[in-house]
Amino acid sequence: GAVVSQHPSRVICKSGTSVKIECRSLDFQATTMFWYRQFPKQSLMLMATSNEGSKATYEQGVEKDKFLINHASLTLSTLTVTSAHPEDSSFYICSAQGQSYNEQFFGPGTRLTVL
Amino acid sequence: QKEVEQDPGPLSVPEGAIVSLNCTYSNSAFQYFMWYRQYSRKGPELLMYTYSSGNKEDGRFTAQVDKSSKYISLFIRDSQPSDSATYLCAMSGGAGSYQLTFGKGTKLSVIP
Repeated sequence: GAVVSQHPSRVICKSGTSVKIECRSLDFQATTMFWYRQFPKQSLMLMATSNEGSKATYEQGVEKDKFLINHASLTLSTLTVTSAHPEDSSFYICSAQGQSYNEQFFGPGTRLTVL
Repeated sequence: QKEVEQDPGPLSVPEGAIVSLNCTYSNSAFQYFMWYRQYSRKGPELLMYTYSSGNKEDGRFTAQVDKSSKYISLFIRDSQPSDSATYLCAMSGGAGSYQLTFGKGTKLSVIP
């Protein structure tokens, strides 16, 4: 099956710093990748849709200047949490669209803790 | 009313039991239905992928979709302790509408 990796798996940072999370599709090319956020005991909430070579589309209520997304190639998308604050602490998960437009393969997630 | 409703559980069953997990939805445009399994602190893993109404079987797993009732199910036969996880239903619309809408997930524990 299709494999998606994320790096880092866990990050702890001080308030005010920026954190970059990478999402890679390892054995397939993904024109579209998605970024989700998941709070404890909650479902996945879509933050933004990332398309290779174009600007990301953000969901309502997600600050695009705070959550910077760059989809530089068909196998890599990055999410940068700028000036992170404790309320940004969460589990961030990316997914990559498969050959079927309605199929998504998820990465293992990145747990961000902002002190 | 939320677009996708899923009982969060927790659901606890003995090993070997048949497990039934369900979701209801309100958006009649949904045509693609998926079940994901998520272990604690891991990303979701795609288990079953179904288009429109009908049944699909894969090993111990059977997915059912009833579009007339807007109701989908996942059955797990001969449940194992390794099946203990959170199961998320997800669905999406037709062409051009590929974003997934997730249920809250049902936490399942299979007791040896």
